[in-house]
Amino acid sequence: QAVLTQPSSLSASPGASASLTCTLRSGVNVDSYWIYWFQQKPGSPPHYLLKYKSDSDNQQGSGVPSRFSGSKDLSANAGILLISGLQSEDEADYYCMLWHSSTWVFGGGTKLTVL
Amino acid sequence: QVQLVQSGAEVKKPGASVKVSCKTSGYTFTSYDINWVRQAPGQGLEWVGWMTPNTGDTGYAQKFQGRVTLTGSTSLGTAYMELSSLRSEDTAVYYCARNLERTGDFDYWGQGTLVTVSS
Repeated sequence: QAVLTQPSSLSASPGASASLTCTLRSGVNVDSYWIYWFQQKPGSPPHYLLKYKSDSDNQQGSGVPSRFSGSKDLSANAGILLISGLQSEDEADYYCMLWHSSTWVFGGGTKLTVL
Repeated sequence: QVQLVQSGAEVKKPGASVKVSCKTSGYTFTSYDINWVRQAPGQGLEWVGWMTPNTGDTGYAQKFQGRVTLTGSTSLGTAYMELSSLRSEDTAVYYCARNLERTGDFDYWGQGTLVTVSS
């Protein structure tokens, strides 16, 4: 079972909010980890968005709009990327990542469609 | 401004080796780690390994152990990734990205290098 699981796709309307989940494998406790989020558009390298550990321990990437925020759902053992006020330019692939067993591990990515 | 500029696309035969470079500028090369991440066509991101330019220390994903070597030249501000015993499954875009040691803030990335493995 993969360490990080993301839904393959998600659709949302312009102006709405989108909640992208990153579920950790059973036995890997989300409360213990920094969760990092990246955005990737076709033909471009990934772009660093933010990192989240807790409400008091998190950081936005440089120049990243405050519409992008992180959180955790401890009951679901998941990290969450919330995008509010969706814009057409937010259509992209989104990846979560964490440091586990001395390696960086990426989730499989979620393709966000804004329509 | 910070830039990571990678070498050009490569076509290699199965069993061969490839060496990709990542030339940095706009910051102190030894102050950040360099990570390598690859992306097969239509697939997600896969971490390959990291290198600390200051010490030469490295760490690799288990699946690449024994096949990948990460090095750097502090005089040139350039990092290198060499992957050997290439197979078709290694066909991917390879990215370098910098981060502060022990953080996942991969804040600047190279443009990517397509490595195609084909007979």
